[in-house]
Order: sequence, then structure tokens, then C-alpha cells
Amino acid sequence: SAVISQKPSRDICQRGTSLTIQCQVDSQVTMMFWYRQQPGQSLTLIATANQGSEATYESGFVIDKFPISRPNLTFSTLTVSNMSPEDSSIYLCSVTSTGGYTFGSGTRLTVV
Amino acid sequence: GQQLNQSPQSMFIQEGEDVSMNCTSSSIFNTWLWYKQEPGEGPVLLIALYKAGELTSNGRLTAQFGITRKDSFLNISASIPSDVGIYFCAGPTYGGSQGNLIFGKGTKLSVKP
Repeated sequence: SAVISQKPSRDICQRGTSLTIQCQVDSQVTMMFWYRQQPGQSLTLIATANQGSEATYESGFVIDKFPISRPNLTFSTLTVSNMSPEDSSIYLCSVTSTGGYTFGSGTRLTVV
Repeated sequence: GQQLNQSPQSMFIQEGEDVSMNCTSSSIFNTWLWYKQEPGEGPVLLIALYKAGELTSNGRLTAQFGITRKDSFLNISASIPSDVGIYFCAGPTYGGSQGNLIFGKGTKLSVKP
């Protein structure tokens, strides 16, 4: 199955700033997914990122807050913009490949 | 929309005991997945189920895809301290295998040595 390298693994950020999270995959994949896991909660899909087109956002998530880039078939970024303490969560990228559904190790974001 | 109801929410067991958790849905799923998440890590796939009635094992773990395609269970036999973590069931949306995943709320497992 695909191997995902996600960074940063954690960060503490000031409110009002933005953080960009990167995911690099060791093989070409059509779709990449970005999830949010709020403290003590399950994973919720933010958006689906396809190469060459705009990301598709789930209800409750908007592009201005979570802009996504997908410049090629092995890489994607998620930016958390104008952060507030409510954005403190773990953010994970995921891909589907022949080996199934694989997740990055996550980015633990704390907004102070 | 599709939802997964996972139970129990948490379990506190003694080392050596067997564990059972399950997921149910009002919608049909074509794939059931079971993940484990340890602190500071992303979910790691334990078992994937692709056919109704399928029973699959991975070491001490056994999972089954319910006949109705609306439920699945995960059993852990002879638990050990390293089994501690949060276990999630998940399934792809829209009934396909290339869709994104929806997750159950998780079962937090604690094992007392």
C-alpha cells in the first residue's frame, strides 16, 4: 500500500495566523482526502483533492478557511487559515491505492 | 446521510480477556474497514472486509462483514497491553470502493496488566 509522509507532525500557532500542512505520497494517486479529528472525536472529511481541479468540500467546510492545493499526483497541501482555538485538532491526509485506504500520521495543531 | 454507530464507546479489560466491538448502520456498505489509532498517530488499517459474510483474521484479531451488509464486528482474543488504543470502524461513502470514508465514533480500549 501507499506510504504517506505528512508534516509538520505538530505545531502550536497563534490565533489569526495560518498553517500549511503537507502530504507526500510515494506513488501516484488519483484522489487525496483531508480529514479533521477534533479532540476525543472521530475523523470527519474536510475535502477531496483531485489533481488538476478544485477540491470538493464537505458541508461545513469552505475553501476560504481550508484552501487545498494538489499540484501533482503525489503531493497535496491543506492550509488552515485565520486560525482560532476551535481549529485545534489533528489533521490527516489519506489516499486510496491498491493496498486500500492509507493515512498519514497526522498533524496535531494547537491554536493559542 | 450514511452513519456508523459503533459500540461500546470504551472498554476497560484485564490482560488476557477477549474483546468484542461492533458497528451498525442503517445504510448498506460494500466494504467494512477496522482501524486502530494510537496516541499521536494516524489510523492504521487492521482488517478490510469486502464481501457480505466474510470472516477475516489478522493474528489475534477477527472481523466479520455482516450478511445484511449493515453491520460488522471486531474481536480481539487474549488481549495484551499493546492493544490499547482507539478502534474505529469505517466504510466508503456512496457504496463504492474509491470514495472517501466515514468513521464510527470509536471504541477506546484500555488493558490492565
